[in-house]
Amino acid sequence: DIQLTQSPSFLSASVGDRVTVTCRASQDISSHLAWYQQKPGKAPKLLIYGASTLQSGVPSRFSGSGSGTEFTLTISSLQPEDFATYHCQQLKSYPLTFGGGTKVEI
Amino acid sequence: EVHLVESGGGLIQPGGSLRLSCAASGSSVSETYMNWVRQAPGKGLEWVAIIYGGGTTHYAGSLKGRFTIYTDNSKNTLYLQMNSLRVEDTAIYYCARGRPGIGVDFDYWGQGTLVTVSS
Repeated sequence: DIQLTQSPSFLSASVGDRVTVTCRASQDISSHLAWYQQKPGKAPKLLIYGASTLQSGVPSRFSGSGSGTEFTLTISSLQPEDFATYHCQQLKSYPLTFGGGTKVEI
Repeated sequence: EVHLVESGGGLIQPGGSLRLSCAASGSSVSETYMNWVRQAPGKGLEWVAIIYGGGTTHYAGSLKGRFTIYTDNSKNTLYLQMNSLRVEDTAIYYCARGRPGIGVDFDYWGQGTLVTVSS
């Protein structure tokens, strides 16, 4: 199984900060990676697919990069509505797996 | 617009069985990739299973044999049959539509249904 390791697990930030979350895969997954945002009590929401393509309707302050085994999610200027948990997911092979999540809080 | 609505969760004793449903609208469950994902209280997301192509399925290794994913195309509904439930199966269960591309990302999610396994 492909393991995904997210770092950090928790991130304390302020409005306007540039925030970066890292996701490392245990083997090469090319660009088969998605990022999701989840707010408390809500279902996850797709942010980025194919490692770097922004899902329709997602603000441009979100961006994704990377390929192979190392990926990053960047929020260029953190907004109040961005305080949430972020999950990466590998889509290269079954079983599909998620990272452990990164909680972005004030 | 795609809508997914889960139901069937509840309190069940260890060893029991439960069937979850996910009613879809705006998308045909028989013509796409449909998934179950779960989230234990305070924990991360765990992919459970996928069904596509008229019946091809894959499962998380730890669940294969106890859980079965299937669809009723006449009702446009996805199901998850869960047998021999354990305390550690306690979680919110989400259904999610898979969108093929660079892999199969999950572009629509239901609101989730809570399963509590406890004596």
